[in-house]
Amino acid sequence: AQSVTQLGSHVSVSEGALVLLRCNYSSSVPPYLFWYVQYPNQGLQLLLKYTTGATLVKGINGFEAEFKKSETSFHLTKPSAHMSDAAEYFCAVSRGSSASKIIFGSGTRLSIRP
Amino acid sequence: DAGVIQSPRHEVTEMGQEVTLRCKPISGHDYLFWYRQTMMRGLELLIYFNNNVPIDDSGMPEDRFSAKMPNASFSTLKIQPSEPRDSAVYFCASTFDGSYYGYTFGSGTRLTVV
Repeated sequence: AQSVTQLGSHVSVSEGALVLLRCNYSSSVPPYLFWYVQYPNQGLQLLLKYTTGATLVKGINGFEAEFKKSETSFHLTKPSAHMSDAAEYFCAVSRGSSASKIIFGSGTRLSIRP
Repeated sequence: DAGVIQSPRHEVTEMGQEVTLRCKPISGHDYLFWYRQTMMRGLELLIYFNNNVPIDDSGMPEDRFSAKMPNASFSTLKIQPSEPRDSAVYFCASTFDGSYYGYTFGSGTRLTVV
């Protein structure tokens, strides 16, 4: 079965600082991996995804994530935080086949200090 | 495309009343998911459909909850009778080809049962 663990339910960084949100997954088969963002009073929006190929994946709003199989990790980074990045971020995993469900992590709330 | 459309955006009802939440998936999508989000339990998958057929309803909390998808462009989630503990944000999401492209979420229905 697939599972995902997000380390830290709340992360706070200063504006302009590096954003690092940690995600580790468990999967018995090659996974598909996702990061979603949820702004207040909105639905989840896909930031980026890894399916196959290049392990460094770039997404919207300057975010990127690297699939590291040896570490079973898919951490989300952004070089310089903006106030508008304040939101809830969800890491998610699926079995890596079309018919599989996506399993979501518990989320990490990102706060940005002025 | 207008995206996944949910209605109503907000619903306030009295305990014991029937509540119906509605979802219109993106045209061409063959998977539809219903999620519930609360502070305590996070994001929970309630049920999902493939080609209008319920595939997995193991997340439906109890018999008070039911979901239907009479055609490819419409789904309902019904709670009868409603209870205060059902208060949550309910999201609908859709996709095609399973998990490969990720899910597109609607804006959600915030349900308050008083």
